[in-house]
Order: sequence, then structure tokens, then C-alpha cells
Amino acid sequence: GAVVSQHPSRVICKSGTSVKIECRSLDFQATTMFWYRQFPKQSLMLMATSNEGSKATYEQGVEKDKFLINHASLTLSTLTVTSAHPEDSSFYICSARTLTEAFFGQGTRLTVV
Amino acid sequence: AQSVTQLDSQVPVFEEAPVELRCNYSSSVSVYLFWYVQYPNQGLQLLLKYLSGSTLVKGINGFEAEFNKSQTSFHLRKPSVHISDTAEYFCAVMREAAGNKLTFGGGTRVLVKP
Repeated sequence: GAVVSQHPSRVICKSGTSVKIECRSLDFQATTMFWYRQFPKQSLMLMATSNEGSKATYEQGVEKDKFLINHASLTLSTLTVTSAHPEDSSFYICSARTLTEAFFGQGTRLTVV
Repeated sequence: AQSVTQLDSQVPVFEEAPVELRCNYSSSVSVYLFWYVQYPNQGLQLLLKYLSGSTLVKGINGFEAEFNKSQTSFHLRKPSVHISDTAEYFCAVMREAAGNKLTFGGGTRVLVKP
């Protein structure tokens, strides 16, 4: 099956700094990728839809200036958490789709100290 | 709007016993249905999916699910679980008109006991 690679798997950063998470589709082209956030023992919450060559579409309540998304190519989308705060600590997961199936990255555990 | 309900947040089960995880959805249009498994600190892995055709779907690791349109359900089953099946399981619905967005249920934590 298709593979989606997400990097890094874990990152610890200081408050006020920015962190970039990469999501790559390794063996297929993804014009659309999705970014999710998952709190402990909870389900996945869709943050935004990343569209290649255009602006991302953010879900209600997600700050677009804080969670910057760039989808520069058909195989790469990045999520940058800017001016990170401890409450941004979470598990972030990306996903790339075909018409009938979604493939997920391994997730990134972000800890802001 | 569509929603996905997983009725059980936790399911403890003994090794080699059967397990059923319940999933109900609400949608006024046709949908695609999925079950994913998530191990700690990892992404989601597809167990099985229903797109069309036979309502009984077989997936990986001995799992199967049955689509019931009249009851809008897609329950997941395994006749005999292993310790390694301990994980979080998510039911999800995709509606084409919604831009291929997936809507997830709240998840069911399966704990297999020896």
C-alpha cells in the first residue's frame, strides 16, 4: 500500500520557538493532504486541509497564523507551529488520500517546555 | 452533517476470546466506511474498508466488519484476539461530497488480557 512518511516522530522545543513537521507521500502524488491533532485518549481532530499550490483550508477554531501549512509540491506538506506554547503539546498526524482511501503518517509527538 | 459514534470507549477482553467493536454513523448520502487501528505513539493503520458490494468485509489480522445500511452500522469483529491486538480502534466515514474528509468516531480502546 501507499506510504506516508512524517518527520520528526518526536520533538521537544522551548516556548516561543517554532517547530516544522514534514509529511511526504513516498509513492504517490497527493494534491491534498490533511493535518490532524490528537489529544491523549481522544480521537483525531481535523485541523486543516493542505492543497498543493494554494492556501490551506482551516477548520473552525484553528488559528491559521499559528499553524502555518505549506504544500509546495505534490509529495510534501509541512506544518509549522509558530511561537509554540505548552498547550500546543500534542500528537500531530498527517494524512494523504486517494479517492477511496486515506494513508497516515506515523505521527509527531510535540512537547513544548 | 455526518457523525460517527463508537458506543464503547473501552473494551476489555481475554486472550482468544471474540471481540466486537460497535460503530454507528449518520449520513443522508452514501459513504465509504473504514476501520483503523492505532498503536501507542503511532499513526493509523487501515484494517479494512467498505466502498460497495458485499456487506461483509474482511481485513488484515483476522478482522472483519459488516455494513448494515438499515441500521447505519459498521461493527468490527474478530473471533479470537491476541495480546498484540491491544490498541485503539477508530471507525471513520468518508463522504465524497465533503472533499474526501474523514470523520472519525471517538475511538475504542481494546485491552486484551492474558
